[in-house]
Amino acid sequence: GIQVEQSPPDLILQEGANSTLRCNFSDSVNNLQWFHQNPWGQLINLFYIPSGTKQNGRLSATTVATERYSLLYISSSQTTDSGVYFCAVGSTDSWGKLQFGAGTQVVVTP
Amino acid sequence: SQTIHQWPATLVQPVGSPLSLECTVEGTSNPNLYWYRQAAGRGLQLLFYSVGIGQISSEVPQNLSASRPQDRQFILSSKKLLLSDSGFYLCAWSVLVTQGFFYGYTFGSGTRLTVV
Repeated sequence: GIQVEQSPPDLILQEGANSTLRCNFSDSVNNLQWFHQNPWGQLINLFYIPSGTKQNGRLSATTVATERYSLLYISSSQTTDSGVYFCAVGSTDSWGKLQFGAGTQVVVTP
Repeated sequence: SQTIHQWPATLVQPVGSPLSLECTVEGTSNPNLYWYRQAAGRGLQLLFYSVGIGQISSEVPQNLSASRPQDRQFILSSKKLLLSDSGFYLCAWSVLVTQGFFYGYTFGSGTRLTVV
């Protein structure tokens, strides 16, 4: 199966700082999504981004499919950005199944 | 709008007892449905997926089973729970738009299961 590696595993930020989270994957994918899991366990879909760049407020993501990586940018971080960020990938014949990375634990301090 | 309901939110069950977790989806038809488990730590592991009524595929051999008696209902079951079944269980749905492209992918709020 496709291997997904996320880095860094942990990140501590001061409020207002910017950060970049990385996701590397081992094979071609046509489905790549970023999720945020809040401290209560709810997983929220941030981006569906198998290629290209998207922005949503202070968050943006870029996927370079040919080089098999994706980046999630958090700008002007807020304490509400704390939680675990997951990258998940899938391929054409996978019926929407996603292979998740281990996640990046982000803590934003006031 | 599409919504997904999952219950119960928390559950404490003794070893050897049965389990039934239910997930229902509203506002969409013929969704792909999934059960994931998140053990202590962070990774999510796919347990089962279903592309239609009565169609269940298992990703990991284990003590659990799944059923889809209706288009928008997905049930996770066990006849006898093990300690190792403890974890955070998440239901999710997606809808196939075109071959290989999937709309949505929305998770339920999860069930935190502790087997004692």
